[in-house]
Amino acid sequence: SQQGEEDPQALSIQEGENATMNCSYKTSINNLQWYRQNSGRGLVHLILIRSNEREKHSGRLRVTLDTSKKSSSLLITASRAADTASYFCATDPGGSYIPTFGRGTSLIVHP
Amino acid sequence: GAGVSQTPSNKVTEKGKYVELRCDPISGHTALYWYRQSLGQGPEFLIYFQGTGAADDSGLPNDRFFAVRPEGSVSTLKIQRTERGDSAVYLCASSLMVGNTEAFFGQGTRLTVV
Repeated sequence: SQQGEEDPQALSIQEGENATMNCSYKTSINNLQWYRQNSGRGLVHLILIRSNEREKHSGRLRVTLDTSKKSSSLLITASRAADTASYFCATDPGGSYIPTFGRGTSLIVHP
Repeated sequence: GAGVSQTPSNKVTEKGKYVELRCDPISGHTALYWYRQSLGQGPEFLIYFQGTGAADDSGLPNDRFFAVRPEGSVSTLKIQRTERGDSAVYLCASSLMVGNTEAFFGQGTRLTVV
């Protein structure tokens, strides 16, 4: 069953623009993680944000978490063609510590 | 090793056959997870190990699927009497411990049942 749901399902932007992806979830969590996946194979871990944190940064990535709205956002600033990938959020529903994934957002960055 | 290693990277098998998929987690990681991913979908949880024991196997679709981790390191996912619907990418991940730590994924095994 789906816990997190990413929005939009697909996003197409030009290089240099910012990309924002959202994740909504249903139950309480301990943490939320964002991953990137190229070519349908291995997932690359981007950021983990804990339930008591509101914002984290890593390079061009900014993640926010609003536990009252049960939502998170991933912002990629100054996007590059190499950022083209699928992006997934993973939550641990009910505090289970088992990462549970949504269907992802497919991001295309045009050079 | 430097990362999570999964072998084989690709496996083609005939319907009804038995297959084993192997996962070598990052050294020292006590938690190990198996997922299955179909085209256009997110990874679907199968089973999670804490050390040698299966702490949660609620995601295994039926009793044809079984996984072991006898020494608390390498894990093997076993599928009996494979069906065409089992075709997917099987992903393994490990994390340092249960809790607020990142899970790192291998490159997956693409299983095709013909």
